[in-house]
Amino acid sequence: DADVTQTPRNRITKTGKRIMLECSQTKGHDRMYWYRQDPGLGLRLIYYSFDVKDINKGEISDGYSVSRQAQAKFSLSLESAIPNQTALYFCATRGAGAGTDTQYFGPGTRLTVL
Amino acid sequence: AQTVTQSQPEMSVQEAETVTLSCTYDTSESDYYLFWYKQPPSRQMILVIRQEAYKQQNATENRFSVNFQKAAKSFSLKISDSQLGDAAMYFCAYIGQGGSEKLVFGKGTKLTVNP
Repeated sequence: DADVTQTPRNRITKTGKRIMLECSQTKGHDRMYWYRQDPGLGLRLIYYSFDVKDINKGEISDGYSVSRQAQAKFSLSLESAIPNQTALYFCATRGAGAGTDTQYFGPGTRLTVL
Repeated sequence: AQTVTQSQPEMSVQEAETVTLSCTYDTSESDYYLFWYKQPPSRQMILVIRQEAYKQQNATENRFSVNFQKAAKSFSLKISDSQLGDAAMYFCAYIGQGGSEKLVFGKGTKLTVNP
């Protein structure tokens, strides 16, 4: 079974709709991240969380919100989706402490906003 | 701010041959980590190899190795004995050890492997 899972894998929605993307992990990592990938732009950080009580904005957080329901779960919400939020969204995890610098990614969610 | 540059949007290699993907970065930090991730058509971001900046020895993982030149801020990936399954987008990434949580990515290099 995959260590980091994302649901849904693909989603098409309409402008103005609220949508939630979910991420779960079985790696036991404290840190979780949401990135978006756009063609030609690489990945950009939306939000990250050190634990359920510690959530931080990334470089492109406008239009997004997150919820850390448990150590293993981190959800990304688009309160009112717009077409320029069409992208590939990745969740990632990372352990804490020395030697835990690597982020491990989920399979991604392809979101299309019409 | 840290930046990562991959100057080769596309590369191609013959099966069984060797190819090198380039990456340069800009940072004022002395301690950091560098990574190469592979993204095949399945979209999954897969860690290929990582390098700790304080280690002079170049990292190696089976057919994948890096040439890390800290002074030149260069971090190239060499793929030996290329296989069809190596075809993918390859992303170079940087993260500082100074508390930043942001993994900074390059824009990627698309590698094609020809049979």
